[in-house]
Parts: sequence; C-alpha cells; structure tokens
Amino acid sequence: AQSVTQLDSQVPVFEEAPVELRCNYSSSVSVYLFWYVQYPNQGLQLLLKYLSGSTLVKGINGFEAEFNKSQTSFHLRKPSVHISDTAEYFCAVRNTGNQFYFGTGTSLTVIP
Amino acid sequence: KAGVTQTPRYLIKTRGQQVTLSCSPISGHRSVSWYQQTPGQGLQFLFEYFSETQRNKGNFPGRFSGRQFSNSRSEMNVSTLELGDSALYLCASSLSGSGETQYFGPGTRLLVL
Repeated sequence: AQSVTQLDSQVPVFEEAPVELRCNYSSSVSVYLFWYVQYPNQGLQLLLKYLSGSTLVKGINGFEAEFNKSQTSFHLRKPSVHISDTAEYFCAVRNTGNQFYFGTGTSLTVIP
Repeated sequence: KAGVTQTPRYLIKTRGQQVTLSCSPISGHRSVSWYQQTPGQGLQFLFEYFSETQRNKGNFPGRFSGRQFSNSRSEMNVSTLELGDSALYLCASSLSGSGETQYFGPGTRLLVL
C-alpha cells in the first residue's frame, strides 16, 4: 500500500513571502499525484495534479508543484502567498487500483 | 454543472444508533468515493462505488457500508455508532477511472454522543 508523508503539520509564513509545502510518497509503481486545499468548513478543492508528462505542474491560485521520481516527492510551491491562501493542504496519491491515499495535511497560516 | 452535494450537512446521534448519509455526484460522474476525516487520523478512504458496484474498500469495520443507485447517487450507512465515529464524512465523485480528478462535496459532520 502507498503512504503519503507531509513533513510539516503547520507552516506559518508572512504575506507575499514564498512557501513550499513538502510531500513524499512511497511507491514502487506508477501513481498519480494530487494537491488539494481545504478551507474551513468546506470540502476539498483540487489545486493541481500530475498524471504524466512535464514534471512541473501548474495549478490554480498561482500554485505549482514538481514531481521528482528519484526522490519520490511532489512539493507544492507558491512564490508569493496571500492572506486568502490560509487553509489546510493535502497531498494525495492515487494508485492504478483507483485508491486514494492522503497525507495528514499541512496547515498554512499566512501572517499579515 | 452543480457540484457534489451531501445531505445532511450536520448530524447528531447517540451511541448504538445507526445513520445514513447521502451523496449526489456531479451529473455524468459514475464513480463515488467516501472518506472519513478526523483530526487525529486525517483523511481515510472508506470505499468507492462505480456503476452500482463496490470497486474498492478501505480498512474499516463491517459497520460501515454503502451502496450506489442507478442514477449514481450513493448512500453510506454506519450501524451501531461509536464515539470514535464522530468525524467529517466526505464524498467525492469522478467520471470513471484511474487518474480522474475527484470532486469533493462539503461533507457531513457527524457527532456521536
């Protein structure tokens, strides 16, 4: 079974500063990778996904992520965060058996 | 297109009772997955239904069950509720197969007293 590790449970960052949220996964087979965002009292919203092709994936709200197969990582980045980016971020892996595995989440707090 | 809808949004039950949660997927989506979200365990996969058949199942006890109807709407049932079943239950739908983006509903928050 796959596992997904989000190394930082909480990340505080000042407004307009860059941010990186880390995600590592364990898998010996091809997987699909996703980042989701969850705002308070809401469901999850897809930020971006990697299925194949270019390892740099651009998503909504200025976020991007880079797939690194050798390091089994899929870190999420944004060059300049906004107050509205304060939310919980989840990294997820979907295997060829259609099962999703989620990380435990990273709480991003943007400080004005 | 309307998004994924879940009813009810909030629910309070007592130990030993049973509960049924409902999920209506996005029109045209045939796959529906259920997740349990708790502060301690994060998001955990319960099961996935596709064309009225359970296609995948997570590691939850048999008290957790589900079904899908011909219109792709899905229900999840939890029998003999325990305090630890208190959680946010999320439903997600997708078109069909592997690699498809899942679209999540707002969730049903269940509190077991």
